Amino acid sequence: DAGITQSPRHKVTETGTPVTLRCHQTENHRYMYWYRQDPGHGLRLIHYSYGVKDTDKGEVSDGYSVSRSKTEDFLLTLESATSSQTSVYFCAISDRFSWGQPQETQYFGPGTRLLVL
Amino acid sequence: RKEVEQDPGPFNVPEGATVAFNCTYSNSASQSFFWYRQDCRKEPKLLMSVYSSGNEDGRFTAQLNRASQYISLLIRDSKLSDSATYLCVVNPPQGGKLIFGQGTELSVKP
Repeated sequence: DAGITQSPRHKVTETGTPVTLRCHQTENHRYMYWYRQDPGHGLRLIHYSYGVKDTDKGEVSDGYSVSRSKTEDFLLTLESATSSQTSVYFCAISDRFSWGQPQETQYFGPGTRLLVL
Repeated sequence: RKEVEQDPGPFNVPEGATVAFNCTYSNSASQSFFWYRQDCRKEPKLLMSVYSSGNEDGRFTAQLNRASQYISLLIRDSKLSDSATYLCVVNPPQGGKLIFGQGTELSVKP
């Protein structure tokens, strides 16, 4: 299994509070992703990173921010949590093909279950 | 129309049965295709890539039909351990990001 950990694994918080989720990898992969998974929607991309300090928005980025100050860590922050952000959050990593394209195969972390009351 | 569509199931089959899942995608320029497996309350894991010529891995066979824009997964001789949700995944032309279907739930019964 790829060396990806997420913390915390479970969290309960109240509406309006800030929340930060951490993804840590030991694979030295360049690309990192944050997804959320909800019934009826499947996995949806929130933000991704293609290098240290290089990030971009995904499909459902509103209400979320990210930071990547080191190759191994990718943080997801909910500035002011809302009940609609109750979800399971997965981090994923991937590496680059030799001809300069990102390798599509993504390896996922174990997930963080977030409940916003 | 969703970019990737799957029948959510559940598919309930007896051990030893053959079961097939289909998935359709909307962007005809999509470049690569995968099946991921997700066990209950676990992370998705790559099951197999899908190649234009079709490919097989043991009891699993994946097919791609670019003209009709669908991919399929066939599981032969189903085992109890095959019970999971199978995610159809497509890499659109812009690359670097994957589009996931909602998943098809499979339950294999004794």
